[in-house]
Formats: sequence, structure tokens, C-alpha cells
Amino acid sequence: DIVMTQTPLSLSVTPGQPASISCKSSQSLLHSDGKTYLYWYLQKPGQSPQPLIYEISNRFSGVPDRFSGSGSGTDFTLKISRVEAEDVGIYYCMQSIQLPMYTFGQGTKLEIK
Amino acid sequence: QVQLQESGPGLVKPSETLSLNCSVSGGSITGYYWSWIRQPAGKGLQWIGRIFTTGTTNFNPSLKSRVTMSVDSSKSQFSLNLNSVTAADTAVYYCARSKFWAGGFDVWGQGTMVTVSS
Repeated sequence: DIVMTQTPLSLSVTPGQPASISCKSSQSLLHSDGKTYLYWYLQKPGQSPQPLIYEISNRFSGVPDRFSGSGSGTDFTLKISRVEAEDVGIYYCMQSIQLPMYTFGQGTKLEIK
Repeated sequence: QVQLQESGPGLVKPSETLSLNCSVSGGSITGYYWSWIRQPAGKGLQWIGRIFTTGTTNFNPSLKSRVTMSVDSSKSQFSLNLNSVTAADTAVYYCARSKFWAGGFDVWGQGTMVTVSS
């Protein structure tokens, strides 16, 4: 199975400051079709996960442009350019290349200072 | 806007079968992959399996022996059965949609809590 490892597991950020979360996969997520199947989700307190980023760097509809994704192969990063209070929650990366087996990272908890 | 709603018993006895339904509204059930994902309290997300609208299924190997799924397109519903449950199956269960074979989950239900206890 592909293991997804996120760091840090928690971070505390002052509003208006940037934040960055790393996600590393145990195998390359680059498919032969040229796409890399790496996704990011945010689970706000008491809610179901909501989609943020697909295929490394594409924002789902309605996601603010302060969220951005980057990376390639096995190393990926989610960045928030200016953290807002509504960004608190747990962020998960997920791979979908090794089907039929989606796997998620352990999650990174973002808190506001 | 597509919405998903899970339903089913909130309490299941050990060794019995957990059965959940997910109702799809605001859009078509046809042509998509429909997954079940669970989350024990305070823990991360675990994908359980998925079904395509043709009935083709894929399951997490760790749960495959205990899982079945079905889809009823006429009712815009799909379902999960997990048999021989134990306390380790206590979790919030989510249904979710994928648009293609390797697609991520673009729509999620609100989740339903299932407790396994006698």
C-alpha cells in the first residue's frame, strides 16, 4: 500500500501569516496518463471533509485562492498564503493512483494563535 | 447542487451486520463512483470501498471479506453492508462521490455515527 506521511501533525498560525503542510508518499503518484493523483481536503470541526485541491495544484470550485498546492512525484505541499480564522481544522492529503485503494495522510491540525 | 445523505441504525450489536444507505439528490447517480469512508472518533480517514453505477465494486483489502455494496439507480441510492462487526468498526461513516476512476471525492455526505455495542 502507498503510505502518505504528513508533517507537521499540528501547527499554530497567527491570522494573516502563511502556513505550509508537507505530504510525502511512499511511491510516486505520477500515473502513465501524465497526471498525478494527489488531493487535499480540509475537515473543519464537526464537519465532513471538504475538497480543496485536486491533482497537486488545482483548486476545487469555490476554494479561495489563498490555498495552493505544489510538488511532484512523491513530495507535495499545501500552502495557505494568509491564514484566516475559518481555515482551522484538520488537513488531509490523499492518493488515488493505487486503486482500488485510496489512502489518506494522518492529518495536520491547524489552529489559530 | 448534488447532496448526499447517509442513513441507517446508529447502534449495531457485535457480530451483526452494519447497513447504511446513501441518498443522492440534486443530480444524477449515473456515471459516477460512489464510495464509503469511515472515521473513528479522533482518528483519520479510512476508505472502505466504492461502487460504480453499473454495479462494479472495489474494496479496501483489509475489509474486503466483510463488505458488500449495492446501488439502486431508480431510487438514487447506494448502500453499504459490513458484517461481523466489532467495536473497532465504531466510527462516523461518510458517503462520497468521485467523477472518474482515479477521481478524488468532490462531494461528501454529512456523515452518520455508528456505534457497535451490545
